[in-house]
Amino acid sequence: QVQLVESGGGVVQPGRSLRLSCAASGFTFSSYAMHWVRQAPGKGLEWVAVISYAGDNTYYADSVKGRFTISRDNSKNTLYLQVNSLRAEDTAVYYCARATVTTTYLDSWGQGTLVTVSS
Amino acid sequence: DIQMTQSPSILSASVGDRVTITCRASQSISRWLAWYQQKPGKAPELLIYDASSLKSGVPSRFSGSGSGTEFTLTISSLQPDDFASYYCQQYHSYFITFGGGTRVEIK
Repeated sequence: QVQLVESGGGVVQPGRSLRLSCAASGFTFSSYAMHWVRQAPGKGLEWVAVISYAGDNTYYADSVKGRFTISRDNSKNTLYLQVNSLRAEDTAVYYCARATVTTTYLDSWGQGTLVTVSS
Repeated sequence: DIQMTQSPSILSASVGDRVTITCRASQSISRWLAWYQQKPGKAPELLIYDASSLKSGVPSRFSGSGSGTEFTLTISSLQPDDFASYYCQQYHSYFITFGGGTRVEIK
């Protein structure tokens, strides 16, 4: 069965960096585009970034463009999100999610990893 | 970017009620719309895609309709397990966007 497991979250000071990881299993990782979606405490879902199945195309929400970088290693079945210059408003649970092969609804989600930006 | 507006933001209902949630897009998205359910402390789960296609395993009391800019999610007879938050999401492009969410609570 499809499994997505995020890691790398934690408490970090403003301005610092983190790298989030999402380990995928149970499907052919290299065939699917992958997304990061975040959810601030008590708030709704916010799309963050997407990477194509081959890793050659990436897109970002305006709120993170220039600070976050999505990448993937298909040989390791792992998705990454490098988060730099963190701000208090980046505090959220970060989910990785799989898009379908042909469209962009998210049919499988990880359990999320919490990033708290605080001094 | 395409903006998605959900209403209501909070819905109070009783077990057995018929419940309808509305999602409006700022421009036409054809039928590129999905609905998710999220329970506290859990990840969202896909319920419906392509506006009206039920994901395998999702109870048939859930249904979706609409096209263009206006969409609805209907729960025909609310069950105890359905008290949760619901989100719509457009996928007209790679720049996906979510509605603000609807929390369905016990009346």
